[in-house]
Parts: sequence; structure tokens; C-alpha cells
Amino acid sequence: AQSVTQLGSHVSVSEGALVLLRCNYSSSVPPYLFWYVQYPNQGLQLLLKYTSAATLVKGINGFEAEFKKSETSFHLTKPSAHMSDAAEYFCAVSEGIQGAQKLVFGQGTRLTINP
Amino acid sequence: EPEVTQTPSHQVTQMGQEVILRCVPISNHLYFYWYRQILGQKVEFLVSFYNNEISEKSEIFDDQFSVERPDGSNFTLKIRSTKLEDSAMYFCASGTSGSGRETQYFGPGTRLLVL
Repeated sequence: AQSVTQLGSHVSVSEGALVLLRCNYSSSVPPYLFWYVQYPNQGLQLLLKYTSAATLVKGINGFEAEFKKSETSFHLTKPSAHMSDAAEYFCAVSEGIQGAQKLVFGQGTRLTINP
Repeated sequence: EPEVTQTPSHQVTQMGQEVILRCVPISNHLYFYWYRQILGQKVEFLVSFYNNEISEKSEIFDDQFSVERPDGSNFTLKIRSTKLEDSAMYFCASGTSGSGRETQYFGPGTRLLVL
């Protein structure tokens, strides 16, 4: 079974600082990886995804992630944090056969932005 | 932009009661999913549904759970006899192709509290 591990349940950065949220995956096949964001009282929104094309993936709101097979990682970064980035971030891997895919999520990382 | 909607946003019920959670997926989507998130825990897959059949279900999805697409727009999750441990946020999601690289679009969730 495939899985993802997010290092750090809480991350706090200052406004304008680099954001780095860590995600490592375990997969026996080339993975499809996703980052979702959940703002307070809202659903999960896709930030970006890796589907075996470019290893550096750019997403919405200035976020990007780099797929590193050698490190089994898919860390999420943003060069300069904004107050509006405060949210919970979930890394996920897709698992299953065509037509019966499911997302397997990490435990989430709550990002706090300090003024 | 089309979005997945869910009703109600909050539901409180007594243990042993039946609840029905409702979702309206994006209109041209064919694959439907339910996930849940117990407070402080990971988002977990419950069930996937395509062509009026369950494609896959998790161990959590026991005989107390059922899903239905009663008409062309709604997708429902029924819990026949709720337990305290069913208290969670329930997310509906939908997608077009069921492939691993596809984005699943999530609704805002229904927070279920079983007393």
C-alpha cells in the first residue's frame, strides 16, 4: 500500500519568510502526488499535483513542489509567506486501479503565519 | 467555477439514529467519493462509486454505511445506526475519469456529531 508522511504537524513562519512543508511518500510504483489546502470552514482545494511530467510543479498562490525520487519526497515551498497562507496543508498519493482510485492522505500540517 | 456542494454543513444526531449526508457533485463528473476526517486525524477514504456501483470501499465502510445516486445530481451517504465514533467531518469528492493522475474536487464537508 502507498502512503505519505508529513513531517511536522504544525509549522510557524513569519510573514515574508520561506514556507517549507515536508512530505515523504512510500510507493511501489511511480506515484501521483498531490498537495491540497484546507482553509478554515472550507473543503480541500488542490494546490498542485505531480503526474510524472516535470519534477518541479508550480501551483496556485505561488506554491511549488519538487518531486525527488531519490529522496522519495515531494516538499511544498513558497518563497514568501503571506498572512492568507494560514491553513492546513495535506499531502496525498493516489492509489488503486483505473476507475477505483483513492487518495491516501498524510496527517496534515497546520501552517501559521506570524505578522 | 463549478463546485461540489454538500448539505447539511452540520448535523447533530443521537446514537443509533440514521443520517443521510447529501452531496451534489460537479455536473459532468462520473466518479464519486466519500472521505472522512475524525477530529485531529487524517482524511480517510471511505468509498468510491462509478456507474451506479461501488468501485472500492475501505474497512471503515461496513454494513452500516451505504451510498446511492438517487437521481442525476445527488450522491448520498447513509449511516444506518450511528455510533459515537462516527463523529467526523465527511467530505464528498468527484472527478471525471477515475484515473490516478486526476484531480478530485472536494466539497466543503458535513460535520457530523453523534451524541
